[in-house]
Amino acid sequence: GDSVTQTEGLVTVTEGLPVKLNCTYQTTYLTIAFFWYVQYLNEAPQVLLKSSTDNKRTEHQGFHATLHKSSSSFHLQKSSAQLSDSALYYCALGTGNTGKLIFGLGTTLQVQP
Amino acid sequence: NAGVIQTPRHKVTGKGQEATLWCEPISGHSAVFWYRQTIVQGLEFLTYFRNQAPIDDSGMPKERFSAQMPNQSHSTLKIQSTQPQDSAVYLCASSWDNTGQLYFGEGSKLTVL
Repeated sequence: GDSVTQTEGLVTVTEGLPVKLNCTYQTTYLTIAFFWYVQYLNEAPQVLLKSSTDNKRTEHQGFHATLHKSSSSFHLQKSSAQLSDSALYYCALGTGNTGKLIFGLGTTLQVQP
Repeated sequence: NAGVIQTPRHKVTGKGQEATLWCEPISGHSAVFWYRQTIVQGLEFLTYFRNQAPIDDSGMPKERFSAQMPNQSHSTLKIQSTQPQDSAVYLCASSWDNTGQLYFGEGSKLTVL
């Protein structure tokens, strides 16, 4: 079946340093879309990035990700982490134009001063 | 614009009691999704409706969970004979297309004692 894997449950980084959150997937669908959702404490999850184009870099709010179908990955990166980036990040796979998303388990990002 | 509204925000029930959670999607959105959020399982898909019709309930525990969407502005998730393992945050989301960009409510936190 379809699945999304986020290998790190917790990532801790010092403010100003780069950060990378990993996301890989398995699916049999040819038409796919990928999302990163971010959930700040006591708030609803919200879309951070989305992409459906292979090998095209997508950027928003200083974060970027590139969908690589050859390696089934959609890693999230930022060159300089900010304290305000501390949150729970979910990678999500959309398949078959249904609108339904399959989420990974999530990665908590803690940015320390 | 109001976002997705979920009520109640917190509900405590005793084992064996019934719990009903309500969701008001964003006006004009055609699809409503229900997810369950736990630390162990992350965001689990439960069910979704499009234009009020049930489309996919593959994530619903069959025996005690049910969902309805009696009109375009209202969906409910009912859990009968609640068990401690049902304790979670139940998130409702809506969308206006099938791209997978979901707009989440802040969730209903269910605690079963």
